[in-house]
Amino acid sequence: QSALTQPASVSGSPGQSITISCTGTSSDVGSYNLVSWYQQHPGKAPKLMIYEVSKRPSGISNRFSGSKSGNTASLTISGLQAEDEADYYCCSYAGYSTDVFGTGTKVTVL
Amino acid sequence: EVQLVESGGGLVKPGGSLRLSCAASGFTFSNTWMSWVRQAPGKGLEWVGRIKSKTDAGTADYAAPLKGRFTISRDDSKNTLYLQMNSLKTEDTAVYYCASDTPGKPFDYWGQGTLVTVSS
Repeated sequence: QSALTQPASVSGSPGQSITISCTGTSSDVGSYNLVSWYQQHPGKAPKLMIYEVSKRPSGISNRFSGSKSGNTASLTISGLQAEDEADYYCCSYAGYSTDVFGTGTKVTVL
Repeated sequence: EVQLVESGGGLVKPGGSLRLSCAASGFTFSNTWMSWVRQAPGKGLEWVGRIKSKTDAGTADYAAPLKGRFTISRDDSKNTLYLQMNSLKTEDTAVYYCASDTPGKPFDYWGQGTLVTVSS
């Protein structure tokens, strides 16, 4: 099972919107609406930000939104803030009770 | 408050074995699927495997490259998750996280991680 493909880095100025892509295959992202996104600050455990493509857990800002088209899922962060600077990982169900993570994207707030 | 606390990490020689534990509190552990996720130094997240709740058969599934060397188990009487790692390789060096794993809402809570270093 190969890792999902994400851009290595994305940057934006405060207040702007950025979008992180997550490209898989017809065996994972394309087959299931079970894509989740995680935020990880340096030295910290990851935090669930989005699940089932576009749902937000309780307490997660509505500045974070998710979508999917075909084999590619996306995470959009609107109204970018300094605290959004972190690594972001997508994850997809890949069948047979297995999951696969993305390669990770470093978000920089300029 | 949900708490997951991993322990058991450390330095082990290639070919050796190690068992990690994850103590859970603040939720009904026996009803919850659980997963292990690892992160090599400076690298991305890698799903290791999961174990379902006993009401869902209690079976474990693994990432293909790890199947056969790693075994996940649980003791619901102790609210504890385990990861038995055998025939360890240098590339198994990573921080190992346990995470709760609700179907459809994976890895919603995480522990702080425990570092495993495989080196001679």
